[in-house]
Amino acid sequence: EDKVVQSPLSLVVHEGDTVTLNCSYEVTNFRSLLWYKQEKKAPTFLFMLTSSGIEKKSGRLSSILDKKELFSILNITATQTGDSAIYLCAVRGGSGNKLVFGAGTILRVKS
Amino acid sequence: NAGVTQTPKFRILKIGQSMTLQCTQDMNHNYMYWYRQDPGMGLKLIYYSVGAGITDKGEVPNGYNVSRSTTEDFPLRLELAAPSQTSVYFCAIAGEFGSYEQYFGPGTRLTVT
Repeated sequence: EDKVVQSPLSLVVHEGDTVTLNCSYEVTNFRSLLWYKQEKKAPTFLFMLTSSGIEKKSGRLSSILDKKELFSILNITATQTGDSAIYLCAVRGGSGNKLVFGAGTILRVKS
Repeated sequence: NAGVTQTPKFRILKIGQSMTLQCTQDMNHNYMYWYRQDPGMGLKLIYYSVGAGITDKGEVPNGYNVSRSTTEDFPLRLELAAPSQTSVYFCAIAGEFGSYEQYFGPGTRLTVT
């Protein structure tokens, strides 16, 4: 059975801190790993990673994939209160276009 | 939300009642999905569809039914509501041929009492 595990489950940081969120996976026929940010409503897409070692970057957020060790990290530098959200990791494997989601990491950034 | 609309936004059902959650997209995407999200549990796939007339079960299909008669619409039916179906329900769409990220609708918060 495909599985995605995220850690930590939650964390609280102060504005300006740097955080690293972790996502490990076990999936048959890995195709891609996706990160989403969820504030009060629907998840919004952040990154999709398919190749090891290639960093994806968007402003203060970056992510990298290690297909050998089966994990990904999401880094957020110089955190702001607007970064407070649930960060979801999902993996696409097998055939078709189904995603398996982790439970998420709840990030709270205090001012 | 990438052209995905869901209705209603909120609903309270009594045990044993039935209802249909509506999902409509205007992106002409073939892939559509229904998820439920319980606190601390991430998103669980209920049903999905790869095109009009084709549906398949996800991880947690029991107690639900779907249909896909058009590309635009993918309704989710609850026949005999149970308290365990209290959750937030999200509909999502995805394209093909390299565009595999899924885009989510705003969600429906359902409470069964």
